[in-house]
Amino acid sequence: EAQVTQNPRYLITVTGKKLTVTCSQNMNHEYMSWYRQDPGLGLRQIYYSMNVEVTDKGDVPEGYKVSRKEKRNFPLILESPSPNQTSLYFCASSLFHPGYSNQPQHFGDGTRLSIL
Amino acid sequence: AQKVTQAQTEISVVEKEDVTLDCVYETRDTTYYLFWYKQPPSGELVFLIRRNSFDEQNEISGRYSWNFQKSTSSFNFTITASQVVDSAVYFCALSEAEADTGRRALTFGSGTRLQVQP
Repeated sequence: EAQVTQNPRYLITVTGKKLTVTCSQNMNHEYMSWYRQDPGLGLRQIYYSMNVEVTDKGDVPEGYKVSRKEKRNFPLILESPSPNQTSLYFCASSLFHPGYSNQPQHFGDGTRLSIL
Repeated sequence: AQKVTQAQTEISVVEKEDVTLDCVYETRDTTYYLFWYKQPPSGELVFLIRRNSFDEQNEISGRYSWNFQKSTSSFNFTITASQVVDSAVYFCALSEAEADTGRRALTFGSGTRLQVQP
């Protein structure tokens, strides 16, 4: 089954404790992306990757890191999480950048992070 | 300045009513793309449509239709004969190339929550 898998689904942690949210897709997609969703703000793009070893900042990259060492994985790293990073996070993938193709983005089920 | 504006925060209708969700965007790019996504109560995001800036034809898919008007920078979404299953948050999004960086980020509006009452 084609899917985007995020882990963990829920996490409560404390300020400053490094964490990684994993994202994996099994569709051989080139494009992957991370978003955060906050009430009243919709989804905001954090980082995206056009292909392996190619990543770029979205609208809200501060405080986050990503890597794309292999096509299927695109982990989101919070080196020193802070309470303002408490949010619902979505990973997404598509064959190519959504703007270049009619292929839709597939979203993971979301990861709810609470930073105390 | 917000690039994608969904002014309607929440809309409530009764089943079988038609409803239009507004989306106004702002861009300097001549080649850009617009999207609509649905987020039902279960939380996942579902792609509905992609439209490029050179294609102003309206699109109809079953009970869904989209009206793209470059003159007013709007990409509105209409649900005809709404059903309870249409209850969700709907997001409009824009993909444009930024002139100074060349980045092609994807910017979402803040969403419109649609409640369809039986």
